[in-house]
Amino acid sequence: DGGITQSPKYLFRKEGQNVTLSCEQNLNHDAMYWYRQDPGQGLRLIYYSQIVNDFQKGDIAEGYSVSREKKESFPLTVTSAQKNPTAFYLCASSIAGVYNEQFFGPGTRLTVL
Amino acid sequence: AQSVTQLDSQVPVFEEAPVELRCNYSSSVSVYLFWYVQYPNQGLQLLLKYLSGSTLVKGINGFEAEFNKSQTSFHLRKPSVHISDTAEYFCAVFTGGGNKLTFGTGTQLKVEL
Repeated sequence: DGGITQSPKYLFRKEGQNVTLSCEQNLNHDAMYWYRQDPGQGLRLIYYSQIVNDFQKGDIAEGYSVSREKKESFPLTVTSAQKNPTAFYLCASSIAGVYNEQFFGPGTRLTVL
Repeated sequence: AQSVTQLDSQVPVFEEAPVELRCNYSSSVSVYLFWYVQYPNQGLQLLLKYLSGSTLVKGINGFEAEFNKSQTSFHLRKPSVHISDTAEYFCAVFTGGGNKLTFGTGTQLKVEL
């Protein structure tokens, strides 16, 4: 089945450690996105990529980094510079052109202790 | 800058009753509008979208929404809800600038017996 996978579903890290969240898609989509979701704040865009080896900052990129070496993969690293990293992280992909439907993965809940 | 307002953070409703979830946007240019649904601890799923044409848009699970340009609204409706409709609903807008969606803060729909 085609879709988006995110792993792990739950992740615990100590404060000051970098952590990388995985996102893989087999939908052959060119565009991929990372969102952060906090209660009462909706989804906020962290980074997005419209093509391999290229990505742009979203609204809250500080403290995060990404790479897009393969079309299928768009990993997100939460660095120690992110002041409040505990949140639910969602990855999405779409056909190029943001007016197209975005397909979402099941999310990763990151808790920093 | 575009923005989306979902005035109701929570909407309780009895099963088989009608429901309307409100969404207003701010933009002076053409918009594309979306409604997504999120079940607990899952990613988002597209309910429906308005790109152009008929202002009444029908989606999955019996939901529909009406685009009202003069009132800058895109309210979501269902004539008779079911327990399984309990979820969080997000309105999103794209106006062509910045190549990204802007999401509202979400409305939690709770269907009770």
